[in-house]
Amino acid sequence: DSGVTQTPKHLITATGQRVTLRCSPRSGDLSVYWYQQSLDQGLQFLIQYYNGEERAKGNILERFSAQQFPDLHSELNLSSLELGDSALYFCASSAGGTYNEQFFGPGTRLTVL
Amino acid sequence: EDQVTQSPEALRLQEGESSSLNCSYTVSGLRGLFWYRQDPGKGPEFLFTLYSAGEEKEKERLKATLTKKESFLHITAPKPEDSATYLCAVRGDNNAGNMLTFGGGTRLMVKP
Repeated sequence: DSGVTQTPKHLITATGQRVTLRCSPRSGDLSVYWYQQSLDQGLQFLIQYYNGEERAKGNILERFSAQQFPDLHSELNLSSLELGDSALYFCASSAGGTYNEQFFGPGTRLTVL
Repeated sequence: EDQVTQSPEALRLQEGESSSLNCSYTVSGLRGLFWYRQDPGKGPEFLFTLYSAGEEKEKERLKATLTKKESFLHITAPKPEDSATYLCAVRGDNNAGNMLTFGGGTRLMVKP
C-alpha cells in the first residue's frame, strides 16, 4: 500500500458525459501528479500540482482539467468524454523535491461506452 | 525530448532462470532513473531510483544498474511471484516540473 488513495476504482459512463476522479496523496506529500495509461500509449504524464499550484503540464487535453485543494487532495475532471478516453488514470504523490520518488495510487479505470 | 525504450517487450523465464531487462534512455541532464513494478490492473510500485552512472541498488532478487545510456534490472533466481510488468522512467533537466517519462515496460512471466 503506497498510501495514495483514489476514488472511484471503476467508472463506466457514456460519450459526451463529464466525470471527476479524486486523489488523496500520502501524508505529508505536497506534489500530486496525474497519469493516463492506455494499452497503446503506455503511461503518459498529464499534469502536476504542488501545494495547490499547477507546476507542469504534459499531454493533457483541453477537455481535461485538474485542481489541488487546500487539504492537498486533487481532482481530475474529464468532460465531453470520447471512447478513446477509456483508460486507467493514476495519481501519484511525492514530497515535492526534484529528486523525490513518486508513489502511485491504485488507479481509476474509466470505461466510456 | 526525453525518450525511454525497454526491451524485451515480454520475457518468459523458468523459475530459477536468471536474466536481465534493459532500459535505454536519452535525456538532457538526468535527474533520476526509476524502476517500478506493475501488477495487472494495479498502480506502479516503486522499486529503485538511480542517479549517476555506476550506481547499483539491490532488493531481494532484483538488482538495478545504471550507465550513461542504459539501465539494467537483473533478476536472480526468479520466482513465479516476480511475474509482473517492469517499468523504467526518467526525469530530466528539460522536463517541466518533476514529470516522469516512462518506457513501454517489460512483461515478465516466471513459470514454476
